[in-house]
Amino acid sequence: GQNIDQPTEMTATEGAIVQINCTYQTSGFNGLFWYQQHAGEAPTFLSYNVLDGLEEKGRFSSFLSRSKGYSYLLLKELQMKDSASYLCAVRDQGVVAGGSYIPTFGRGTSLIVHP
Amino acid sequence: NAGVTQTPKFRVLKTGQSMTLLCAQDMNHEYMYWYRQDPGMGLRLIHYSVGEGTTAKGEVPDGYNVSRLKKQNFLLGLESAAPSQTSVYFCASSGRGMNTEAFFGQGTRLTVV
Repeated sequence: GQNIDQPTEMTATEGAIVQINCTYQTSGFNGLFWYQQHAGEAPTFLSYNVLDGLEEKGRFSSFLSRSKGYSYLLLKELQMKDSASYLCAVRDQGVVAGGSYIPTFGRGTSLIVHP
Repeated sequence: NAGVTQTPKFRVLKTGQSMTLLCAQDMNHEYMYWYRQDPGMGLRLIHYSVGEGTTAKGEVPDGYNVSRLKKQNFLLGLESAAPSQTSVYFCASSGRGMNTEAFFGQGTRLTVV
């Protein structure tokens, strides 16, 4: 089984930097994903980490430490449109024959960006 | 390229009624998933499929059935709807590789009264 923890809600100011943490406990780790979900919409993919370190993609970066079971999503130069829920998802090896990799989602962090 | 398409987008059911949610993907993905999303609970996996003709139970399968008769379609059925099944349902698909992300449909908002 898996246990994924994220803060429920965070607030930040436009133009600032915010770090959203995700801790997890899982067996057979096979990657961690971050998704963004605006209210009333579907989640969309932001980043993927499977090795330790930082992955940078424009204003967004994601970090992973497998030994600590820890990841964070870093958002720079915050914009109002970044107000959304950010979902951490961990993938482990499923029990279905053939090595399926089924992602399990945390409860998400609601980020509110104010002027 | 439509990606993942869910129908319907909204539905109101009476307790005890049945319905089927349809999910179609045009990306030739092997894996397909059905999640439900409730306030404060995040996305919870109902059932999933790793290929045509195969299905498996997720975290919250009770009250639901699924079928994957064709690779591009994944159907979620509610045989006898209950108010506890009021939720937003998301279908998703992904490829077989380790670094392949899931693509989500736009969701179905279901209310059971």
